[in-house]
Amino acid sequence: NAGVTQTPKFQVLKTGQSMTLQCAQDMNHEYMSWYRQDPGMGLRLIHYSVGAGITDQGEVPNGYNVSRSTTEDFPLRLLSAAPSQTSVYFCASSYWPGRHEQYFGPGTRLTVT
Amino acid sequence: GENVEQHPSTLSVQEGDSAVIKCTYSDSASNYFPWYKQELGKRPQLIIDIRSNVGEKKDQRIAVTLNKTAKHFSLHITETQPEDSAVYFCAASRAGANSKLTFGKGITLSVRP
Repeated sequence: NAGVTQTPKFQVLKTGQSMTLQCAQDMNHEYMSWYRQDPGMGLRLIHYSVGAGITDQGEVPNGYNVSRSTTEDFPLRLLSAAPSQTSVYFCASSYWPGRHEQYFGPGTRLTVT
Repeated sequence: GENVEQHPSTLSVQEGDSAVIKCTYSDSASNYFPWYKQELGKRPQLIIDIRSNVGEKKDQRIAVTLNKTAKHFSLHITETQPEDSAVYFCAASRAGANSKLTFGKGITLSVRP
């Protein structure tokens, strides 16, 4: 099993550009989520999904969109990149977040200039 | 929503000593409390978790204790080694398929050789 994969590993965007961060898992997990990690701020939940076709907002959803058309994939879209979105982004998946381990992807380091 | 706080934000110990990292949470309905370790440049990984029907759980050199009345839980690492140097995140969640995991801001543990 590849586990949770993310692409790209690094990305530089200019203010106003849009892009999609890809996330895929091969563990048949229903629950998937996106976090951003900033120095001193911990892991903050952006959006999450409890199954295909179902998504919901987390703590910091503004400026991001998600969709979940399959169990395996959960892409994160930046609509119009801003310097405040410079961060490391982690995708995670699990069976049931209130009882089971969340498996994290390797992360995407995004810089917005 | 849930609020998880970690104390202290940094901790330095001598190799072989014990380290204790404390977390408090605000939602009395939370009943799942995992700890994640993140080495420099790596993804967070689960090291131990505890559920509210248990007061203490051990796994070799690490243990977690939970006090539901006071709404705090702690990670204990004995006989610390340089490879224990990392950022440690505590988190809390309610049960339920739609539950969300809320992370603390993280503590940087440094083990001096």
